[in-house]
Amino acid sequence: QTVVTQEPSFSVSPGGAVTLTCGLSSGSVSSSYYPSWYQQTPGQGPRTLIYNTNTRSSGVPDRFSGSILGNKAALTITGAQADDESHYYCVLYMGSGLNWVFGGGTKLTVL
Amino acid sequence: QITLKESGPTLVKPTQTLTLTCTFSGFSLSSSGVGVGWIRQPPGKALEWLALIYWDDDNRYSPSLKSRLTITKDTSKNQVVLTMTNMDPVDTATYYCAHADYRDYRFDYWGQGTLVTVSS
Repeated sequence: QTVVTQEPSFSVSPGGAVTLTCGLSSGSVSSSYYPSWYQQTPGQGPRTLIYNTNTRSSGVPDRFSGSILGNKAALTITGAQADDESHYYCVLYMGSGLNWVFGGGTKLTVL
Repeated sequence: QITLKESGPTLVKPTQTLTLTCTFSGFSLSSSGVGVGWIRQPPGKALEWLALIYWDDDNRYSPSLKSRLTITKDTSKNQVVLTMTNMDPVDTATYYCAHADYRDYRFDYWGQGTLVTVSS
């Protein structure tokens, strides 16, 4: 069974930087998985941040960036702000069989 | 401006069939490269991709739910319909529809979601 892994939780200080990762239970993540990242605050629908590894969605500030770090996809947030406190989900495109698989999400706390 | 909105019952009984409709505007599902997907989220849990239909009627389903799901589109009404059979309390979730782009497999616009509770 393919599992997409994310850190369950992370904390960052206001103004600081944090990197969240998205891996595979077996194997490495590459850009061929078209990793994308979504932000979700309580009671709200997801907001698209990053797609195709490192392309920012319209209106997303450049404090958010995506990349491949080692064998994982990564979302880096710089200059963390209070309203960055959210859940962050990655999703990988696994091909025409499994198609899209979401990670379990990371709860980011800004304190 | 692209918008999507989910509609359907808020409560279904176990074993019943759920029918959800995604009504969208700002794009056409007859345009090359366009798709609409369904994603759900049980309370307090992670997102789970369910199904997607592309402009060319290419349908994709989650392997674990494939036997229970059907996705269809009505291009003239700008609607996508998802049916899920044999509902169970574990299917209680907020169901989202989202605009998808074939070029890079992204979901870029999301609806607000609709909460479906499965209970007798």
